[in-house]
Amino acid sequence: DAGVTQSPTHLIKTRGQQVTLRCSPKSGHDTVSWYQQALGQGPQFIFQYYEEEERQRGNFPDRFSGHQFPNYSSELNVNALLLGDSALYLCASSLVLAGGPVQETQYFGPGTRLLVL
Amino acid sequence: KQEVTQIPAALSVPEGENLVLNCSFTDSAIYNLQWFRQDPGKGLTSLLLIQSSQREQTSGRLNASLDKSSGRSTLYIAASQPGDSATYLCAVSSPGANSKLTFGKGITLSVRP
Repeated sequence: DAGVTQSPTHLIKTRGQQVTLRCSPKSGHDTVSWYQQALGQGPQFIFQYYEEEERQRGNFPDRFSGHQFPNYSSELNVNALLLGDSALYLCASSLVLAGGPVQETQYFGPGTRLLVL
Repeated sequence: KQEVTQIPAALSVPEGENLVLNCSFTDSAIYNLQWFRQDPGKGLTSLLLIQSSQREQTSGRLNASLDKSSGRSTLYIAASQPGDSATYLCAVSSPGANSKLTFGKGITLSVRP
């Protein structure tokens, strides 16, 4: 049973460019959340996708957008990259019971390390 | 707004010592609390999850307790080993937040042989 997978593992971009990160959830999970973790900080919630729609969003600008596909996999897109976007981007999957809060633990992927020069 | 604090930021102990990692949160109306482990440059591994109705959870040498009324949780590690060296993160999920997790900054633990 594959856990959460993310691609690519590392990425280097320059300021102003755009980037797309990918996530495949754990088998049986239907919800994907994205987090940004700057060096020495705890992860910060970006947004969550359920049933192909953005269900909740953290305090991130519109440059950050996402998508969820019918197979529950997800993409995170960041436009007009800034130096401050350099971070580890983590994807977490979970199973929402009857549309309510998660009852079980969330499973995190290994992350994508993004460096913006 | 929920805030999670973990102090100290770093801790160094000799092998074999029992230790306690602390986590505090500002809003006691949480749905659950999780402790994660993160190795350098890696993703998060869930260690223990405590539902708001529970007081503690145990897994092997790990025991996590939750006191909602005081906004505190502790992670107890028995007989620490060098392999326990990692960053330990505490995260809370609040009702109505649809499983969004609010994290502390973590405690970096070093266990000396």
